[in-house]
Amino acid sequence: SQLAEENSWALSVHEGESVTVNCSYKTSITALQWYRQKSGKGPAQLILIRSNERDNRNGRLRATLDTSSQSSSLSITATRCEDTAVYFCATERGNYKPTFGKGTSLVVHP
Amino acid sequence: GALVYQYPRRTICKSGTSMRMECQAVGFQATSVAWYRQSPQKTFELIALSTVNSAIKYEQNFTQEKFPISHPNLSFSSMTVLNAYLEDRGLYLCGARDWGQNTLYFGAGTRLSVL
Repeated sequence: SQLAEENSWALSVHEGESVTVNCSYKTSITALQWYRQKSGKGPAQLILIRSNERDNRNGRLRATLDTSSQSSSLSITATRCEDTAVYFCATERGNYKPTFGKGTSLVVHP
Repeated sequence: GALVYQYPRRTICKSGTSMRMECQAVGFQATSVAWYRQSPQKTFELIALSTVNSAIKYEQNFTQEKFPISHPNLSFSSMTVLNAYLEDRGLYLCGARDWGQNTLYFGAGTRLSVL
C-alpha cells in the first residue's frame, strides 16, 4: 500500500508566484524528504525534515511537518521556470528505504 | 561533489532476454544502494536494498532470481533483469548513500524497453 502520497496530481503557476505541494502519510516515520525530478533525470533531494522537527528551509523552499495529522508541505516562493518538475515526498522509517509518493507535477509558466 | 552515474541510459531488449545495468558512485562511499523501478505513471517501487558486507534485502514481489544484484565495493553496484517481459519496462533508478548520512543520491536511471 502507498505509505506516502502527494495530495495534488498537478499544479500550474506563473513565474514569481508561490506554490505549495502537500503530502500525507499513514505510518510512523523517522524523517520525511522532498525530492524533485526533472524530465530525463533521477530524483534530487531538496529538503529533509526529521520527525522531531516542524519546519526546515532551503533557500526559496520551506518544508513543514505535522506528525499529529501525518502531513507535510513543501512551499516554493518566487517560482522560476526551472522549478518545473515532478515533486515527491518520501517517508523514512529508519531502515534506509524511502517510500515515495506518486508525485505532483508542477509547471511554472513564464 | 557527490554524484551517481547509471549506464546504460536506455536499453531495448527482446522479450525473454536479460540486461544488466550499472551504478557508479563518485565523491562518496555508497555504503547502501537502493534499486527502484519507476513506472510511466511516475510511481516508485523499491526492488531491493543492498548494503556492503550485508545480505541484499528484496521487497515483496521482487526476487534475487529475477533481479540479481551485485554490490562488491563502496563505489559500484549492478543489477540484472533476467528474462525480461513487458511488465518489466520502466526506469530503473539506483539511489546510494553513505552509512549514517541522510542524503540519498540518485542516478539518472536506466530506461528499459522490452519488445
